[in-house]
Amino acid sequence: GAVVSQHPSRVICKSGTSVKIECRSLDFQATTMFWYRQFPKKSLMLMATSNEGSKATYEQGVEKDKFLINHASLTLSTLTVTSAHPEDSSFYICSVLQGAYEQYFGPGTRLTVT
Amino acid sequence: AQSVTQPDIHITVSEGASLELRCNYSYGATPYLFWYVQSPGQGLQLLLKYFSGDTLVQGIKGFEAEFKRSQSSFNLRKPSVHWSDAAEYFCAVGALGGSARQLTFGSGTQLTVLP
Repeated sequence: GAVVSQHPSRVICKSGTSVKIECRSLDFQATTMFWYRQFPKKSLMLMATSNEGSKATYEQGVEKDKFLINHASLTLSTLTVTSAHPEDSSFYICSVLQGAYEQYFGPGTRLTVT
Repeated sequence: AQSVTQPDIHITVSEGASLELRCNYSYGATPYLFWYVQSPGQGLQLLLKYFSGDTLVQGIKGFEAEFKRSQSSFNLRKPSVHWSDAAEYFCAVGALGGSARQLTFGSGTQLTVLP
């Protein structure tokens, strides 16, 4: 399956600042990527679907102006958390869609907002 | 809408014992089914998948799963658990979402392996 990387693996930022998380598909040209959020001991919550060359599709309840997604190439999607607050602290995971429904996941990014 | 239920939040087994993790799904059409494993602080790794054909599917790390349409189940099994299998396991069903084929995940089962 596709090999997916995320950068950074961990980030700490101050409240009110913005932080960008990169998701790269290293060996597969990904038309579609997904961004998830995972709370401790919880399942994955789909935030948005990122389509190369077009606007992301956000799930209900996810603020599109707060979580900016850019899928500028077939190998890179970025998630920018704008004006971050402590409640945005979480584990963010991206994935690449390959085939019918198979998703291959990145290692995740731990965001801590102080 | 599709849904996935993993009834067991936490399972503890001894190393070398057999394992079965339960998964029930709800979906109107033929499901695409997956099992993923997540180690602490890591992303998810695909263990196995079912699309069609043989209802017993083999995966990586010695895992297998059986699709039972009559029971709407896709249980994961392993005959002999290793300490390295301790992790969180997620069952998922694939379905068409707003703009792409999406996965709906169960709430996960935490596996603890005793020495």
